[in-house]
Amino acid sequence: DTGVSQDPRHKITKRGQNVTFRCDPISEHNRLYWYRQTLGQGPEFLTYFQNEAQLEKSRLLSDRFSAERPKGSFSTLEIQRTEQGDSAMYLCASSLVGTLNTGELFFGEGSRLTVL
Amino acid sequence: DAKTTQPPSMDCAEGRAANLPCNHSTISGNEYVYWYRQIHSQGPQYIIHGLKNNETNEMASLIITEDRKSSTLILPHATLRDTAVYYCIVRAYYGQNFVFGPGTRLSVLP
Repeated sequence: DTGVSQDPRHKITKRGQNVTFRCDPISEHNRLYWYRQTLGQGPEFLTYFQNEAQLEKSRLLSDRFSAERPKGSFSTLEIQRTEQGDSAMYLCASSLVGTLNTGELFFGEGSRLTVL
Repeated sequence: DAKTTQPPSMDCAEGRAANLPCNHSTISGNEYVYWYRQIHSQGPQYIIHGLKNNETNEMASLIITEDRKSSTLILPHATLRDTAVYYCIVRAYYGQNFVFGPGTRLSVLP
């Protein structure tokens, strides 16, 4: 399978713990996005990378959230000192932006976080 | 905030065409219209996009009005597997991110 993969698919944690999610994009894609989705809502943009550079962060991305894409390939999203309000589906997407490409997003299946 | 307006829900009979409307009255000249759908518990899936001409692919057709202020996604022969939330998004070609609204929940009924 050469699509976007996310790990873990499900994570249950206690309030105050740290969690980390990993995303492996489609191999040649230069952009990588993180979104968050709560029940009944559309995905909300968190941040995106162009290669290894983090180019935009949403105001939703509080200081407890950090994302990295160290070599321009896979990415990690870490949430420190989790709160119950962090419970959501965390979606990763990748795209190829260039002269001959339309830049549409390809999403992974998401990582569902439950904070008790 | 999303720059599009969609009805919150629609029903369609199996085998019939599903026509999903989207209003984007403030669309700019360099912005494309993209459609995605999200089946329950899965990540969103790209369907189609267009600038001003009508577009068709193996999944759907996209009809954009001449003034580009609205568009319609057409699923020509809806099946039960097309039951999903459909998102209409406007975005510049090299725009930074896709802004999703609440979308339209399409229920295909047997």
